[in-house]
Amino acid sequence: DAGVIQSPRHEVTEMGQEVTLRCKPISGHNSLFWYRQTMMRGLELLIYFNNNVPIDDSGMPEDRFSAKMPNASFSTLKIQPSEPRDSAVYFCASCRDRGQLDAFFGQGTRLTVV
Amino acid sequence: AQSVTQLDSQVPVFEEAPVELRCNYSSSVSVYLFWYVQYPNQGLQLLLKYLSGSTLVESINGFEAEFNKSQTSFHLRKPSVHISDTAEYFCAVSGRGQGGKLIFGQGTELSVKP
Repeated sequence: DAGVIQSPRHEVTEMGQEVTLRCKPISGHNSLFWYRQTMMRGLELLIYFNNNVPIDDSGMPEDRFSAKMPNASFSTLKIQPSEPRDSAVYFCASCRDRGQLDAFFGQGTRLTVV
Repeated sequence: AQSVTQLDSQVPVFEEAPVELRCNYSSSVSVYLFWYVQYPNQGLQLLLKYLSGSTLVESINGFEAEFNKSQTSFHLRKPSVHISDTAEYFCAVSGRGQGGKLIFGQGTELSVKP
């Protein structure tokens, strides 16, 4: 298995633009997580899905952020409009929700908003 | 709700010396505990985990951690570190029945010097 695949690896965008981050979880994993990593706040859980349904989005910072999981093999995290303070590394992770609880992380998307 | 405190943000150590990275957690429910490692510009990789059973768990590269319920701790140790162990280490907790949702500590930067 190729692991959790995120795209793009790097994104530089201007303030006010829409940004879409993509994630393909490991096949057979039915939980998916979006995390944000910054120097100031460390690793924050933004939202997680189970069986494609959002379970907990309490970590989503504000309405500019939205996440979808239209099917078991794809998820997106959208920021619209983007702001410089959104600059961070965004990680997607997936795991099976029964038995094996290891979350496997993607390589991350480094977002820079200028 | 769960929270994790990693008591040291940076730990410098000489090669072949022992090291301990400290982690304390709080939770109102039973938990699973994890240590993840992040090498520069990479995603997080699972190092070891405690789910149940023996309170001492080991990784394949010589790290070990001991779950201490009374002290709510899960400290990570290695008797002799290598230069290649230089990385950031994250302690994480997941409440039982929460489908793998991980709450991370702030991380400890381990720097191994020759």
